[in-house]
Amino acid sequence: DAGVIQSPRHEVTEMGQEVTLRCKPISGHNSLFWYRQTMMRGLELLIYFNNNVPIDDSGMPEDRFSAKMPNASFSTLKIQPSEPRDSAVYFCASSRQISTDTQYFGPGTRLTVL
Amino acid sequence: SQQGEEDPQALSIQEGENATMNCSYKTSINNLQWYRQNSGRGLVHLILIRSNEREKHSGRLRVTLDTSKKSSSLLITASRAADTASYFCATALYSGAGSYQLTFGKGTKLSVIP
Repeated sequence: DAGVIQSPRHEVTEMGQEVTLRCKPISGHNSLFWYRQTMMRGLELLIYFNNNVPIDDSGMPEDRFSAKMPNASFSTLKIQPSEPRDSAVYFCASSRQISTDTQYFGPGTRLTVL
Repeated sequence: SQQGEEDPQALSIQEGENATMNCSYKTSINNLQWYRQNSGRGLVHLILIRSNEREKHSGRLRVTLDTSKKSSSLLITASRAADTASYFCATALYSGAGSYQLTFGKGTKLSVIP
């Protein structure tokens, strides 16, 4: 099993640019989560999907952030326009079901917005 | 907020010693989970303890949960240099209709000195 795959692993961009982060969950997992990790705020849940449907996006910081899951094997997190305060490590995680609880994390995307 | 808070923030021990980390939270939970994060990597699930359980073991890991005190502890016995990592507790709460929250603490940074 390849585990959760995220791309890119590192992204450096300039303020105002659009950033798209990608995630491929583990095959057979029905739930997908996007997290952001910073030194100041720790690990924050941004949004999660169940069976490709967004369930709770209350953690999304602003309208500049959007996430989609067009099918069971792919999700994107988009920031448009990006700002320096968006610099963080973004993790994607998946689990078989929400109620199964164990989440498997991807390696993360380190985003730097200059 | 039901955010878990780990204590201590940092812990340094000699190889072979036991390491104990604590987690406190504020509201009711369905379960509590512990994760490990090596530097620059994603989180790895270690163990889950449900709200009706008091103690759980997995290899060199022992987790306790006291719901009356809203606290949990993670004990790593006979520590090894490879245990050096950050350890996070996460509290899970389902509030019906698929609503789910998994809230992470800021973590304890464990250093095991060979």
